Amino acid sequence: QKEVEQDPGPLSVPEGAIVSLNCTYSNSAFQYFMWYRQYSRKGPELLMYTYSSGNKEDGRFTAQVDKSSKYISLFIRDSQPSDSATYLCAMTAGAQKLVFGQGTRLTINP
Amino acid sequence: GAVVSQHPSWVICKSGTSVKIECRSLDFQATTMFWYRQFPKQSLMLMATSNEGSKATYEQGVEKDKFLINHASLTLSTLTVTSAHPEDSSFYICSARGGTSGAGGEQFFGPGTRLTVL
Repeated sequence: QKEVEQDPGPLSVPEGAIVSLNCTYSNSAFQYFMWYRQYSRKGPELLMYTYSSGNKEDGRFTAQVDKSSKYISLFIRDSQPSDSATYLCAMTAGAQKLVFGQGTRLTINP
Repeated sequence: GAVVSQHPSWVICKSGTSVKIECRSLDFQATTMFWYRQFPKQSLMLMATSNEGSKATYEQGVEKDKFLINHASLTLSTLTVTSAHPEDSSFYICSARGGTSGAGGEQFFGPGTRLTVL
């Protein structure tokens, strides 16, 4: 079993839809959670960083962490074609290496 | 956010030659830098972790003599692929973590370098 599981998709939704991306993990030592967005042939861009259970909002993005269920989510409201990318969840137990999910390929259709 | 650059952005070389890739943190001091490789439609695979002034720590299965990493300053790390072969063709991405990053140590990624070995 992988430490971090993420549905690779692909996921295709119409413009304006709410997108839900999810990851589950097995290592209870993970305390810090990140979501990265990666466009094709580019490096990952940090979108959200959280370390406590609950919700964190930044513009159209909301990151949700449920440590009791070992489950994290990223919600995108009012999705735009420019949101089409691969979204990677990542987590760490501290100042250690990140463990990445497989990445979900998302397409927003105009 | 913090900016990390990589150079070159793409390189084509002949089999048997060596290629050096630079990773720079432009607006912060990176106490730790990471090197990843990524194959098409796959997630990032960590190759090694380097701390400034120390030897790199390589992940299991990564040949340290083939992938030479130098982290000589707080803003520069280099990855040298020695005697490159076609199977080394990949997308190489570096990331950097600053000393003032949060306890979870956010990593900021460079734009990547696409290496093609003929």
